Amino acid sequence: DAMVIQNPRYQVTQFGKPVTLSCSQTLNHNVMYWYQQKSSQAPKLLFHYYDKDFNNEADTPDNFQSRRPNTSFCFLDIRSPGLGDAAMYLCATSSATGPHNEQFFGPGTRLTVL
Amino acid sequence: AQSVTQLGSHVSVSEGALVLLRCNYSSSVPPYLFWYVQYPNQGLQLLLKYTTGATLVKGINGFEAEFKKSETSFHLTKPSAHMSDAAEYFCVVRLSGGSYIPTFGRGTSLIVHP
Repeated sequence: DAMVIQNPRYQVTQFGKPVTLSCSQTLNHNVMYWYQQKSSQAPKLLFHYYDKDFNNEADTPDNFQSRRPNTSFCFLDIRSPGLGDAAMYLCATSSATGPHNEQFFGPGTRLTVL
Repeated sequence: AQSVTQLGSHVSVSEGALVLLRCNYSSSVPPYLFWYVQYPNQGLQLLLKYTTGATLVKGINGFEAEFKKSETSFHLTKPSAHMSDAAEYFCVVRLSGGSYIPTFGRGTSLIVHP
């Protein structure tokens, strides 16, 4: 089945220790998104890619960066995690063409910062 | 620009009772509307969507929603709640005409009592 995969599902890191979260997709969608979701809140868009074009939300901290080496893979790098970065991180994809381009979400990575 | 308002951060129903989750939107152009469900520690899953055509849309797990342009609403209903319906529900709007950045409502937590 076509899907969005996130690894790892659970990540524990130490305060200030860089961490990378990964996302892969078999849907061949050209748009990929990274969201941060804190408890009892809606997902908050951090950035997205339209093909290789990177789009950063204005309020995304510089501490967060992303890479998309090819259509299938996308990475979220947190350079110096703080306690406030503990959250669920969701990757999503969509096709930019066609009216029925809902987002497909991965299962998420729950990040704990000690 | 678009926005989404979900009335009620929590909705509590008894098993077997009608489920009604409210969503109102504002949009400068005809919108595409979606409902997603999120179970604990999981990603979001599409329940149903409205793009064009029939205004009453049926989704998975017995849910349906009706697009009412005059009321700018897209309420989610289910005739009879199951315990397994307990989850977080998000109403999402996306502008037609090529936009691929959706706007999320804040979410409604559905609580089902036995």
